[in-house]
Amino acid sequence: DAKTTQPTSMDCAEGRAANLPCNHSTISGNEYVYWYRQIHSQGPQYIIHGLKNNETNEMASLIITEDRKSSTLILPHATLRDTAVYYCIVRVEFGGSSNTGKLIFGQGTTLQVKP
Amino acid sequence: DTGVSQDPRHKITKRGQNVTFRCDPISEHNRLYWYRQTLGQGPEFLTYFQNEAQLEKSRLLSDRFSAERPKGSFSTLEIQRTEQGDSAMYLCASSLPTGVETQYFGPGTRLLVL
Repeated sequence: DAKTTQPTSMDCAEGRAANLPCNHSTISGNEYVYWYRQIHSQGPQYIIHGLKNNETNEMASLIITEDRKSSTLILPHATLRDTAVYYCIVRVEFGGSSNTGKLIFGQGTTLQVKP
Repeated sequence: DTGVSQDPRHKITKRGQNVTFRCDPISEHNRLYWYRQTLGQGPEFLTYFQNEAQLEKSRLLSDRFSAERPKGSFSTLEIQRTEQGDSAMYLCASSLPTGVETQYFGPGTRLLVL
């Protein structure tokens, strides 16, 4: 059961910022938000993750609302190679002290970057 | 390339046949996961290993499916008596048990059951 909802598709102009929204209103306090992307016929590629603070790495920025019910992935300068399906994911822990869990994927947002 | 590798990349089989897929995780990653992805859907969790121990199994993993990781390194996923509904991409991921773990995925094995 997906714990996130995302728009089905979005377009972005090359060189502009791509802002991909995600709702995760039922997220629990200890569940992380992860973003992955998948280019056709390849395995999912990790982008970024966060718990409650905003995060930035060389690929993207992740903005999480204070109530943690939604987040936005920002690709600052989209290129044609960023065209992919972007998944906003909640990691559900296995429990105990495993410090790991299963990634619950939704159907993702298909981002089309146009010249 | 030091990422997760999977073999074969593609497999076509006839209904009723058995198939086996292999996953080699990133070196030193002691955690290994299998997911399944059907067309147009996101991946779904199947099972999780820590070293050689299979610690979690999804109810999606029917009796016809078996996964092993005998020496805590590579893993195999076997499907017995394949059905057309087993047609999917089978994805393997691995991670390190440090900090907030990140699962790194392989390229997947695409199975087509005729």
